[in-house]
Amino acid sequence: AQSVAQPEDQVNVAEGNPLTVKCTYSVSGNPYLFWYVQYPNRGLQFLLKYITGDNLVKGSYGFEAEFNKSQTSFHLKKPSALVSDSALYFCAVRDRRSYIPTFGRGTSLIVHP
Amino acid sequence: GAVVSQHPSWVICKSGTSVKIECRSLDFQATTMFWYRQFPKQSLMLMATSNEGSKATYEQGVEKDKFLINHASLTLSTLTVTSAHPEDSSFYICSAPTSDQETQYFGPGTRLLVL
Repeated sequence: AQSVAQPEDQVNVAEGNPLTVKCTYSVSGNPYLFWYVQYPNRGLQFLLKYITGDNLVKGSYGFEAEFNKSQTSFHLKKPSALVSDSALYFCAVRDRRSYIPTFGRGTSLIVHP
Repeated sequence: GAVVSQHPSWVICKSGTSVKIECRSLDFQATTMFWYRQFPKQSLMLMATSNEGSKATYEQGVEKDKFLINHASLTLSTLTVTSAHPEDSSFYICSAPTSDQETQYFGPGTRLLVL
């Protein structure tokens, strides 16, 4: 079975400060890991993914995430937050045999001006 | 990235009527598409896997006679909510994986309100 935990319902950060949205996972074997962002009343937009290779993955809009196998984590980061980054962020994982990912419950990111 | 569209983006209907939602992959073919339901401030709940040329696979607890899925072509899947009730009001999102099955791309969602 595969699972994802996003321990924070909400993350608040001031504009210009670095942000981190946490994600830990559980899966059999090596994982495929994803981050998606959802703006109000919209579908999910793909941000980035880890399949293999470098542990630090760079994605859209200046976001990046670091795969940490020993800690089974895939935290989303951005060096300098923008107010427009305020949205709902979902982490997802799947194992390499299944093409159906499991999503975390989402973390609401609020960036204050 | 790949583009997935949904139509309509929102719909209001009376209780007892049926509503059809379309999901299209615009620039790639998808033998498989997924239908999700999302409640306010909650994660996505996978309802079913739509398979081109065969029956859909429903998740446990999802009524297949209530939520009819048809994968008519390699670029189109439809979800029909039959005899809609107010409790069916929700945000429905479809997705399709790229051919390498690595990444899912999501439609913009359909907001359904049943009166």
